[in-house]
Amino acid sequence: DAKTTQPPSMDCAEGRAANLPCNHSTISGNEYVYWYRQIHSQGPQYIIHGLKNNETNEMASLIITEDRKSSTLILPHATLRDTAVYYCIVLRKTSYDKVIFGPGTSLSVIP
Amino acid sequence: KAGVTQTPRYLIKTRGQQVTLSCSPISGHRSVSWYQQTPGQGLQFLFEYFSETQRNKGNFPGRFSGRQFSNSRSEMNVSTLELGDSALYLCASSLESANTGELFFGEGSRLTVL
Repeated sequence: DAKTTQPPSMDCAEGRAANLPCNHSTISGNEYVYWYRQIHSQGPQYIIHGLKNNETNEMASLIITEDRKSSTLILPHATLRDTAVYYCIVLRKTSYDKVIFGPGTSLSVIP
Repeated sequence: KAGVTQTPRYLIKTRGQQVTLSCSPISGHRSVSWYQQTPGQGLQFLFEYFSETQRNKGNFPGRFSGRQFSNSRSEMNVSTLELGDSALYLCASSLESANTGELFFGEGSRLTVL
């Protein structure tokens, strides 16, 4: 599986957009980018995933670069409840590989 | 629709004892994965079960084992507990394989080994 690199921590002002980057320079053509987040003391929560097109749902937007070597998760209007650890994962949707979480990015939304 | 249910939520054991944790997946989900989370190691994959068969396994010693029943409920067991086994144990279910869709996590079972 391709590996991902994320900054260990980030701050974001409440109400502003939070842009969380993820580098996956060795991603293969059939690998998807998944994002999860984990709020303190809770289980991780699925956010969004994509292959090569930008994706948007009620929680966030996912922007994947044209060469697919990096992506950005965007929380358009961050709230204090978005303070969490965000995990970027790359995996092949059709295989049965184990889902491995890296250290993620700890996002702090500041009032 | 009920989410993933893990029991017990909290438990305290002493070294050398064994523990069994239970996970009830979302109705209709056939894949169950287990993770161990500690402050130092983060989220580490233990194993995944699908249709009562272990399909993937992480790098944990044989003291860690699991099983899945015909109704997709899963249990994991840790024998001969060590202090380092103190952790949050998370279970996740998904419709098919763990990576053909999103994982749905439970709240976890927090194990303290004294």
